[in-house]
Amino acid sequence: NAGVMQNPRHLVRRRGQEARLRCSPMKGHSHVYWYRQLPEEGLKFMVYLQKENIIDESGMPKERFSAEFPKEGPSILRIQQVVRGDSAAYFCASRTGQADSPLHFGNGTRLTVT
Amino acid sequence: QKEVEQNSGPLSVPEGAIASLNCTYSDRGSQSFFWYRQYSGKSPELIMFIYSNGDKEDGRFTAQLNKASQYVSLLIRDSQPSDSATYLCAVRGQAGTALIFGKGTTLSVSS
Repeated sequence: NAGVMQNPRHLVRRRGQEARLRCSPMKGHSHVYWYRQLPEEGLKFMVYLQKENIIDESGMPKERFSAEFPKEGPSILRIQQVVRGDSAAYFCASRTGQADSPLHFGNGTRLTVT
Repeated sequence: QKEVEQNSGPLSVPEGAIASLNCTYSDRGSQSFFWYRQYSGKSPELIMFIYSNGDKEDGRFTAQLNKASQYVSLLIRDSQPSDSATYLCAVRGQAGTALIFGKGTTLSVSS
């Protein structure tokens, strides 16, 4: 399967713990985007990365959230000291280097904070 | 604040009818436009993209773009129950920037 791979599919964390969400883009894609979706809400942009660079993090909360896309390995979205309001579906999407190319989404990680 | 607006629905159509989904956007400089379908509990799936004014057809789907009116639509001909899903309109401003999504329109096709 050459699609966007996200893991884990489901993640349960207690309040105060850390959550790490992983995303491997489609083969040949070097641009990664993270979105968050709350129930009955649209997709909210969080951060846009290329290898070793954060291009746009305007949608990411200033505290507790961070993202990286290292030279080797998957992109990681990290949420420290999770709270119940962080419970959501987190989707990763990737695209080719062509600037107007569409985004292709992974299956998402459903985070539940208890 | 760049916004993308969609009627949340639900939009109900009988099987075989044409479903018309509409979307407006606030950023006049937007350059590319996308329609995604999302089944409940699943990830968004790309249906079509359109960059130029006019119509673009792909099978039963037609995307229509009117940049002067800042309006993009999706027509689904011969609607099937399997088309029942939430349809997300997405807009990109400058090339390479993130897609901004509307909240989606829920379509229900009855057999």
